[in-house]
Amino acid sequence: EDQVTQSPEALRLQEGESSSLNCSYTVSGLRGLFWYRQDPGKGPEFLFTLYSAGEEKEKERLKATLTKKESFLHITAPKPEDSATYLCAVGGNTGRRALTFGSGTRLQVQP
Amino acid sequence: GAVVSQHPSWVICKSGTSVKIECRSLDFQATTMFWYRQFPKQSLMLMATSNEGSKATYEQGVEKDKFLINHASLTLSTLTVTSAHPEDSSFYICSAQDILNTGELFFGEGSRLTVL
Repeated sequence: EDQVTQSPEALRLQEGESSSLNCSYTVSGLRGLFWYRQDPGKGPEFLFTLYSAGEEKEKERLKATLTKKESFLHITAPKPEDSATYLCAVGGNTGRRALTFGSGTRLQVQP
Repeated sequence: GAVVSQHPSWVICKSGTSVKIECRSLDFQATTMFWYRQFPKQSLMLMATSNEGSKATYEQGVEKDKFLINHASLTLSTLTVTSAHPEDSSFYICSAQDILNTGELFFGEGSRLTVL
């Protein structure tokens, strides 16, 4: 059974204070690891897909990295508008096409 | 990017009534759509996989007779919560995979159901 664990559960940063969010996973053959951003009362918004260990992707202040056991979402010099819940999900090669989600990290960036 | 539209975004109903939620892929065809449920401050829990032209596949513990799923076309899936009760109150989110192009999974905006 695929499992995803995210930490920390909640994170409060000052504007400009860089940090990283962790996503640990176990999966039967990784088809892809996904990062989403979710604002309150909204559906998840796609950020990145990572397919293999060593892969990195960047988008504005966000950078996602992947190892064989975990992924990190690095946030550089965050702004208040980066406040949201960040979800990590994995898709395996078991034939099940749905993703398995972690419980998310609630990020609050204070001005 | 691809857009997935959900309707209604919120609904309040009386206990015992049925509620239908629609999920549409607006600019791509989706042979498969997924329905998730999310409780406050919790993650998305997969309820069922909706397959165009065939029966949905339900996750363990999800009552298929209570949560009716229909995927009649390549752009539309519906979730009907039958005989809703207060414990069915939740945030329901659909997603669709753009298989023919990027393979990415896009999510709708979600539907907040409150059963009185």
